[in-house]
Amino acid sequence: EAQVTQNPRYLITVTGKKLTVTCSQNMNHEYMSWYRQDPGLGLRQIYYSMNVEVTDKGDVPEGYKVSRKEKRNFPLILESPSPNQTSLYFCASSTGLGRWDGYTFGSGTRLTVV
Amino acid sequence: DQQVKQNSPSLSVQEGRISILNCDYTNSMFDYFLWYKKYPAEGPTFLISISSIKDKNEDGRFTVFLNKSAKHLSLHIVPSQPGDSAVYFCAASASDMRFGAGTRLTVKP
Repeated sequence: EAQVTQNPRYLITVTGKKLTVTCSQNMNHEYMSWYRQDPGLGLRQIYYSMNVEVTDKGDVPEGYKVSRKEKRNFPLILESPSPNQTSLYFCASSTGLGRWDGYTFGSGTRLTVV
Repeated sequence: DQQVKQNSPSLSVQEGRISILNCDYTNSMFDYFLWYKKYPAEGPTFLISISSIKDKNEDGRFTVFLNKSAKHLSLHIVPSQPGDSAVYFCAASASDMRFGAGTRLTVKP
């Protein structure tokens, strides 16, 4: 089954404790991206990657890191999480930019930073 | 700076009637527009898209209309079914993809 897999689905952590949210896709998509969803703000892009070893900042990159060492994986790293990073996170992938046939999204990771 | 706006946080319609979800945008460089549907505890799923060179695209019960002069698009669902109850996100793409805040649609039996 074609899918984007994120782990974990739920995570509660403390301020300052480094964490990684994994994302993997099995569709051989070049493009991958991370979004956060907050009430009233919709989905905002954190980072994206056009292909292996190519990453770039989205609208809200502060406090996040990513890497793209393999085509299928695109982990999101929070080096020192803070409470304002409490949010619902989605990983997405697509062929090209997904402008016509859209993105395939993962099921989401709900992160709480206390 | 929200370039894509969905001004109605929620919409409730009766089963069998038409649902109309609206979206406005500000950036005239957007050339593709998309709608996604999201159920609770799931990621958004792509529903339908339209290129800026068209004013209408239809897929079964779902039709998207684009009014470029008004920078407005809408999604029509006819007839609405209870299984259509979800949050609908409008998105617009130029070099990247921007999303609206979403509209929660409730279809009552």
